[in-house]
Amino acid sequence: AQSVTQLDSHVSVSEGTPVLLRCNYSSSYSPSLFWYVQHPNKGLQLLLKYTSAATLVKGINGFEAEFKKSETSFHLTKPSAHMSDAAEYFCVVSAPSSGYNKLIFGAGTRLAVHP
Amino acid sequence: NAGVTQTPKFQVLKTGQSMTLQCAQDMNHNSMYWYRQDPGMGLRLIYYSASEGTTDKGEVPNGYNVSRLNKREFSLRLESAAPSQTSVYFCASSVGRGLGVHEQYFGPGTRLTVT
Repeated sequence: AQSVTQLDSHVSVSEGTPVLLRCNYSSSYSPSLFWYVQHPNKGLQLLLKYTSAATLVKGINGFEAEFKKSETSFHLTKPSAHMSDAAEYFCVVSAPSSGYNKLIFGAGTRLAVHP
Repeated sequence: NAGVTQTPKFQVLKTGQSMTLQCAQDMNHNSMYWYRQDPGMGLRLIYYSASEGTTDKGEVPNGYNVSRLNKREFSLRLESAAPSQTSVYFCASSVGRGLGVHEQYFGPGTRLTVT
């Protein structure tokens, strides 16, 4: 069965410092993995996706994530945080099921960015 | 190109009342989904429609019904609302068909309170 664990419920950084949001997954298949971002009172927006091509995936707004099969991890990073990055981030694994792709969401990590 | 739209944005119901949440997408996607989001729990799938004319239960279907009216529209109905259904509801869509990986695109959400 597929599952995803986000290791931190809250992360706080200063503007201009690096961001690291941690995600571990469990999958009996070769997984497809996503990071989504949700700004306050908004819907979810796709940041990036891993689909068994390059292990280092670049997304929008300077974010990237590295797929590490040996560690079953898919951590999200950004070299320099911006105030506009304050949001909730969801790590998601895709599980093929009955002809469609079921998405299994982590509980989310709330990122706060301080001046 | 509006993407995924949802109505209403906010709703307050009394226990036992009924209502229908509307969702439409203009991306010619085959698959559509309804999720609920509760604090600390990520998103949980209520129902999905892999293609026009089909619907199936997700993780938390009790108390809900759905209708895939046509390829564009997928509605969620609460027949007799309960306080436990207080949540934020998101509709999503994806290209769908087959077991290829297809990210999902989300609407802005409906915030529902049941008193």
